[in-house]
Amino acid sequence: GESVGLHLPTLSVQEGDNSIINCAYSNSASDYFIWYKQESGKGPQFIIDIRSNMDKRQGQRVTVLLNKTVKHLSLQIAATQPGDSAVYFCAENMGNTDKLIFGTGTRLQVFP
Amino acid sequence: DAGVIQSPRHEVTEMGQEVTLRCKPISGHDYLFWYRQTMMRGLELLIYFNNNVPIDDSGMPEDRFSAKMPNASFSTLKIQPSEPRDSAVYFCASSFVRKETQYFGPGTRLLVL
Repeated sequence: GESVGLHLPTLSVQEGDNSIINCAYSNSASDYFIWYKQESGKGPQFIIDIRSNMDKRQGQRVTVLLNKTVKHLSLQIAATQPGDSAVYFCAENMGNTDKLIFGTGTRLQVFP
Repeated sequence: DAGVIQSPRHEVTEMGQEVTLRCKPISGHDYLFWYRQTMMRGLELLIYFNNNVPIDDSGMPEDRFSAKMPNASFSTLKIQPSEPRDSAVYFCASSFVRKETQYFGPGTRLLVL
């Protein structure tokens, strides 16, 4: 029979548009957050991180926003390109551990 | 730097066989993590080491799984005996210090028939 897997939310955007990928994290004690990009057949690749003493951090074409009040994290990608198509994971680290807890991921599809 | 290196990249084996996955972390990184990724459960942490010492193995599914880190540049994850439900992609990751970015290897895609 068909196996049931995790349902990945999918975001479809047109090339050149901006993308916003959202993530709700689970623990108010988390103080370090990372966004990873995973292309098909590859390992997760670091994009950008942010610590809880910040609410915004910018990289090249990417911005991460952190709202601790509602435990929400977002990744903004400017001028989305076909090469941005991948699954994006947010991960949180709680203050008293070394472990990262990963979300289920969001699939980003970029169409011409 | 070469990044995290994993071998083999693909492994196909029969149920009951022993499987050994290998990882070389980035030089100078003190932390090494083993993850498993499946469609059903996503990315799960199995075990991690700090300075070659296992710190938390609460994610190891059962006694059939074991991991070692004999030195700072090498770790193994062993499954004995393997079962079809162990089929997954296994990732190794390393980080320099606590609460810093984890860098992932390319993964080992394991299929147990």
